[in-house]
Amino acid sequence: DAGVIQSPRHEVTEMGQEVTLRCKPISGHNSLFWYRQTMMRGLELLIYFNNNVPIDDSGMPEDRFSAKMPNASFSTLKIQPSEPRDSAVYFCASSVTASNQPQHFGDGTRLSIL
Amino acid sequence: GESVGLHLPTLSVQEGDNSIINCAYSNSASDYFIWYKQESGKGPQFIIDIRSNMDKRQGQRVTVLLNKTVKHLSLQIAATQPGDSAVYFCTYNQGGKLIFGQGTELSVKP
Repeated sequence: DAGVIQSPRHEVTEMGQEVTLRCKPISGHNSLFWYRQTMMRGLELLIYFNNNVPIDDSGMPEDRFSAKMPNASFSTLKIQPSEPRDSAVYFCASSVTASNQPQHFGDGTRLSIL
Repeated sequence: GESVGLHLPTLSVQEGDNSIINCAYSNSASDYFIWYKQESGKGPQFIIDIRSNMDKRQGQRVTVLLNKTVKHLSLQIAATQPGDSAVYFCTYNQGGKLIFGQGTELSVKP
């Protein structure tokens, strides 16, 4: 079975550029989560969706970050403009429902902002 | 506040021995717990979960124990193998959010 699919796996870009990260959740899963992982802060939840609707975006660090889920099989996380401190690994996860169900993670996008 | 803490940041075991990874949590309202394994360059991988109405659950070579009285969770890995080397995260799910601890790095010596 296909798991959560993220693209690109690696992204290197210069500060100020727009970055778009993509995620395809597991088919049939109704909840989708975006996380960021750094050595300093560990794994942080940025935003999550239920049935394509954003439920909690309190973890989104700044207005430079935005996320969309236009349909049940696709989500994007966009950073515009990007800054060096945005460098991290960004993970997408999905679950059948938001509460009390395991979340299944993709292999992440390693983002480097120069 | 809400937090999940791990007692040991690193654990080194001999291949074939049993491993025990411990976790303390602070929120007594927590009702669902998950252990994840993260290998280098990969996302966290679900290992096993347990709900607060249970105190023990077993999987293949893994057992999770939950002590709600002292708010403690542990993951036991039987006959540890080199492929078990990874960072292990204790998490709890509340309000749709997964709260991750800092992780414990398990190193298996051949």
